[in-house]
Amino acid sequence: DTGVSQDPRHKITKRGQNVTFRCDPISEHNRLYWYRQTLGQGPEFLTYFQNEAQLEKSRLLSDRFSAERPKGSFSTLEIQRTEQGDSAMYLCASSPGQGPAKNIQYFGAGTRLSVL
Amino acid sequence: AQTVTQSQPEMSVQEAETVTLSCTYDTSESDYYLFWYKQPPSRQMILVIRQEAYKQQNATENRFSVNFQKAAKSFSLKISDSQLGDAAMYFCAYRTPNTGNQFYFGTGTSLTVIP
Repeated sequence: DTGVSQDPRHKITKRGQNVTFRCDPISEHNRLYWYRQTLGQGPEFLTYFQNEAQLEKSRLLSDRFSAERPKGSFSTLEIQRTEQGDSAMYLCASSPGQGPAKNIQYFGAGTRLSVL
Repeated sequence: AQTVTQSQPEMSVQEAETVTLSCTYDTSESDYYLFWYKQPPSRQMILVIRQEAYKQQNATENRFSVNFQKAAKSFSLKISDSQLGDAAMYFCAYRTPNTGNQFYFGTGTSLTVIP
């Protein structure tokens, strides 16, 4: 078990560019979450997948944001036409659908996005 | 709306001493879960301890324990025999199965451990 893996760890981009982040959850975890964390704040929920189905989306997830989990394993988060306000840490978490740990979310180390 | 409040942006503790981090939450639900997560600098968040609301007994994990006061909607974390490795940002989080699967996080408390 290698934990939740996120790639890249850091991304610097220019305003207006598109960026894509990847998250590999713990194997056999069917639930996957994306959060955004800005400096001095706790993580804020963006979206949730159960297997390949995107079941919940936050109002924070504007039209420029899209997330996918095509095969129910890894997930990608894409931001189109990035803005300076998108600069943040993007966290991915996963959890099992059953068992004693079903209510625990396991976090990756995050992708830090800087929009210049 | 569910909100989680951590009123202590920063705390410090002498090594080997005890420190308590505060957390309050607002909810109308009766079934929910509470968590404390630790986020060391530039590292991933890890679960410290969790509490199910239906359990009256306070959760304990080695040097970490909670004081869960359901009526007061309070969920404080006590760290005993503090160690240098405890220095981190600590986040209180809340989840209820009735409003989806997301966690609601507080703004965090930065803990410094003084040698």
